[in-house]
Amino acid sequence: GAVVSQHPSWVICKSGTSVKIECRSLDFQATTMFWYRQFPKQSLMLMATSNEGSKATYEQGVEKDKFLINHASLTLSTLTVTSAHPEDSSFYICSAPGDGGGNQPQHFGDGTRLSIL
Amino acid sequence: SQQGEEDPQALSIQEGENATMNCSYKTSINNLQWYRQNSGRGLVHLILIRSNEREKHSGRLRVTLDTSKKSSSLLITASRAADTASYFCARDQGGSEKLVFGKGTKLTVNP
Repeated sequence: GAVVSQHPSWVICKSGTSVKIECRSLDFQATTMFWYRQFPKQSLMLMATSNEGSKATYEQGVEKDKFLINHASLTLSTLTVTSAHPEDSSFYICSAPGDGGGNQPQHFGDGTRLSIL
Repeated sequence: SQQGEEDPQALSIQEGENATMNCSYKTSINNLQWYRQNSGRGLVHLILIRSNEREKHSGRLRVTLDTSKKSSSLLITASRAADTASYFCARDQGGSEKLVFGKGTKLTVNP
């Protein structure tokens, strides 16, 4: 079945560091990928839609200069948290819709736990 | 908030019992999906039910959809300790591939 690989799974770094998270579709092409943020014991909140070959679309309230998204190819999207601060600590998850157009399940990466000291 | 509501927020049962989780939403949908999340992991897709469907089964899972009440339920029968996880419903947003997730139900199945 379709697999999405997310890397790294866990990052601990100092305040002010920029952190890059990768999301890869392993056996299918994904022109669109989604990035979510999840706080402890809460639901997933959509941050942005990553579009291959064009700019990402950000949800209201998400700083595009803070969370840089690059969809470099049909199988790779990256999220860079720039100049990260402790309030950026969270669980970040990516997903990609399956092949076949609309009404398809989404395939999720295993998430990245980001801890900023 | 556009997030759906799920109840209960937490559910604790014994192995072998059935678990029912409910989800309500506010806007029209094309489909509604249920996902499972083990602690600290990504989400795993369970079932997708389309707006013109009323019930769908997959193994020990049964999902119902009532579009007139804008609600859905997930029933897990003969629960096992391995079913312990958080369960989320997610609706499509405006016909796009975007998903809006409910707040989730944390299910604990005690052996």
